Amino acid sequence: EAGVAQSPRYKIIEKRQSVAFWCNPISGHATLYWYQQILGQGPKLLIQFQNNGVVDDSQLPKDRFSAERLKGVDSTLKIQPAKLEDSAVYLCASSSILGDYEQYFGPGTRLTVT
Amino acid sequence: AQKITQTQPGMFVQEKEAVTLDCTYDTSDPSYGLFWYKQPSSGEMIFLIYQGSYDQQNATEGRYSLNFQKARKSANLVISASQLGDSAMYFCAMREPNDYKLSFGAGTTVTVRA
Repeated sequence: EAGVAQSPRYKIIEKRQSVAFWCNPISGHATLYWYQQILGQGPKLLIQFQNNGVVDDSQLPKDRFSAERLKGVDSTLKIQPAKLEDSAVYLCASSSILGDYEQYFGPGTRLTVT
Repeated sequence: AQKITQTQPGMFVQEKEAVTLDCTYDTSDPSYGLFWYKQPSSGEMIFLIYQGSYDQQNATEGRYSLNFQKARKSANLVISASQLGDSAMYFCAMREPNDYKLSFGAGTTVTVRA
């Protein structure tokens, strides 16, 4: 079974530029999560989808961050415009049902904003 | 308020010895789940072990065991017979029933010495 795929693995941009990350969850997994992990901290949930609907986006900075999950499969996370403090690893995870106790994580995208 | 506290930023352990990673949590809900994840330098989060709040016995998975002390709100991870490949960051996380996201602690870095 293929795991959670993410791309790109690394991205370097200048502040005020825009960037997009892509995630493909494990086949059949209805729930998809995007986490932000700042260096030296634990991951923090940004947004959670159930199929193509948003379950929780309370910690998503909506003035600059957006995410979508068209057709309930792949998802993209966008930042526009980026700030220095957005430098972090962005992790995508999926689980088979809402509340499933095991979330499967992708390798992450390491973003550096200069 | 901090839901998960990991007080050990880093630990060293000799190969083949056991190591205990501390985790305390804060919740007023009687139903919750506790998780431990491993994050090697490659960046992905690897699920290790799960403990439900109503589970009567401490969870075990191979060399990993969870020392669950409910009254103390403690969920320490014990890694027995440490191996060089255990060198990684370890995160404790909690999921509350009406809040499906995982709340992570700051993590503990484990370095196994030969």
